[in-house]
This record gives sequence, C-alpha cells and structure tokens, in this order.
Amino acid sequence: DSGVTQTPKHLITATGQRVTLRCSPRSGDLSVYWYQQSLDQGLQFLIQYYNGEERAKGNILERFSAQQFPDLHSELNLSSLELGDSALYFCASSVPAGGLYLPDTQYFGPGTRLTVL
Amino acid sequence: GENVEQHPSTLSVQEGDSAVIKCTYSDSASNYFPWYKQELGKRPQLIIDIRSNVGEKKDQRIAVTLNKTAKHFSLHITETQPEDSAVYFCAATPLVGQGAQKLVFGQGTRLTINP
Repeated sequence: DSGVTQTPKHLITATGQRVTLRCSPRSGDLSVYWYQQSLDQGLQFLIQYYNGEERAKGNILERFSAQQFPDLHSELNLSSLELGDSALYFCASSVPAGGLYLPDTQYFGPGTRLTVL
Repeated sequence: GENVEQHPSTLSVQEGDSAVIKCTYSDSASNYFPWYKQELGKRPQLIIDIRSNVGEKKDQRIAVTLNKTAKHFSLHITETQPEDSAVYFCAATPLVGQGAQKLVFGQGTRLTINP
C-alpha cells in the first residue's frame, strides 16, 4: 500500500458522458500526478499539480481537465468520452527530494479502471 | 521531448538465473531514473531508482546501472524467483521547469520466471 488512494476503483460509462476520478495523495505530499495506461499507448503522463497549482502538462486532451484542492486531493475530469478513453488512470504523489530541480520519487495509487461502452 | 526505449519487450528466464532489462533515453538533461514493477491490474510499484550523479545502485538482488555518456541504464535482477514475474517499466525524468516534473516511461518488459 503506497498511501495514495483513488476512487472509484472501477467505472463503466457510455460514450459522450462525463466522469470524475478522485485521488488523495500520501500524507505530506504536495505534488499530485495523473497518468493514463492503455494497451496501445503504455503509461503516459497527463498533468502535475503542486500545492494547488498546475506545474507540468503532458499530452492531455482538451476534453480532460484536472484540479487540486486546498486539502491537496485532486480530481481528473474526463468529458465527451470516447471508446479510446478506456484505460487505467493512475494518480501518483511525491515527497520533495530537497531542491526545486531535484526530481521527486513518485508513489502510485491503485488506479481507476475506466471502461467506455 | 524525452523518449525512452526499453528492451526486450518480453523476457523468459529460468528460476535462479539473472535477468537484465535495458533502457535508453534521448534527453541528456534527464537526471532521475526509476524502475517500476507492475503486476496484472495493480499499481506500478517502485523497486529501485538512480540519480544522475551515481553510476550504480544495489538493493539485495536488484541493481541498476547508469551510463550518462551513452544515455542508457539497465536493471539487473539476480537469483530470480517466481514472484519476480511481472511487467517492469523504466522511466526518465526530463527537466521541464522549476518544481515541475514528469515521468516518461519505456514500453515495458514482461518478465516470466520459469520454475
């Protein structure tokens, strides 16, 4: 158990719908990251938040958005869902390594499996 | 941007033998290289990592080596056991900005340990 929690565990929805995935980081971690894992694309970075602010962005679709709240939990919103959005969505959080340019070790949550029918 | 290539995609070894997985990266500014183990349907779990100021790191049966000049790093597992069977991912962390980071993953290696 990494200490990162994600809900729900599974989500089944239809094309065109909107869903919200939730993540709570480990106690004390200020950064939250979202990753998508699909069979054809592997593990892909979507977005990073640090203490409520967006810090890094990957190949995140415009239909997807995220935010980090004052209590540091984060939500990933996926809208106008397509079949190709079916994937495992992981959240990770990190403990600072001790410098603004020193990468932090990231610990992953259990993931949310999204199935779009 | 950063690109990470991982080989082989599948690896099958006899229990007790060693396994080696290799990765290359493209961004010379990348300075952190973690390895994750992922069992089916589970989360990626960090097993070892190395920073760019170190050439080698070992933790019991697992070791990682880094060659910054050649821009490649490798995972070595000795005395393999059935519970080592999983998918292993390497990753690199390019410099994206102050306080900003992301992991760029390799494609993964499915390791099977045969009893």
